[in-house]
Amino acid sequence: AQSVTQLDSQVPVFEEAPVELRCNYSSSVSVYLFWYVQYPNQGLQLLLKYLSGSTLVKGINGFEAEFNKSQTSFHLRKPSVHISDTAEYFCAASKGSGGSNYKLTFGKGTLLTVNP
Amino acid sequence: GAVVSQHPSWVICKSGTSVKIECRSLDFQATTMFWYRQFPKQSLMLMATSNEGSKATYEQGVEKDKFLINHASLTLSTLTVTSAHPEDSSFYICSARVTGGRTGELFFGEGSRLTVL
Repeated sequence: AQSVTQLDSQVPVFEEAPVELRCNYSSSVSVYLFWYVQYPNQGLQLLLKYLSGSTLVKGINGFEAEFNKSQTSFHLRKPSVHISDTAEYFCAASKGSGGSNYKLTFGKGTLLTVNP
Repeated sequence: GAVVSQHPSWVICKSGTSVKIECRSLDFQATTMFWYRQFPKQSLMLMATSNEGSKATYEQGVEKDKFLINHASLTLSTLTVTSAHPEDSSFYICSARVTGGRTGELFFGEGSRLTVL
């Protein structure tokens, strides 16, 4: 079975500092990878996704992630965070083929708290 | 981007009653929608896949008679929590796949928080 592991449940950082949120996946088949952000009492918003091609993926709000097949990782990074980036971040994966590629498996989430 | 709307955003009900939550794709057609459940400070757990015009596919451990899903049109799926109990209190989120859309592209609703007293 596919699984997604987010290694840090909470990441506190200061404003304008860089941040990396870690995500590892386990899958024996090709996989699509996603990062979503969730603000309190809201649904999920897609930050970025990796389907194929370039392993460095750029998303919205200045976030980027790098797909590393050998390390089965898809870490999310931002060079300089803002207070408004405070939110829960979820890494997710789906199988890369057929209709099941829309069934997402989510990690447990990482709460990013940006302090002034 | 495509918009998915859920209604109601908040609902409080008495134990034993049934509650219906709607998930609508506002500006696109969605052959397939997904329903998730999220407990406080936890991840999303897929409950079921809702297919327009056919029966929903439930994940293992999800009671289909408890969580009734209807996907009667290409823009609307509903989740009905029947005979709700306090343990059903949770945040329910739907997502929709754009029919004919790019691979892996899903759009999420804002979520519906259910509190059962």
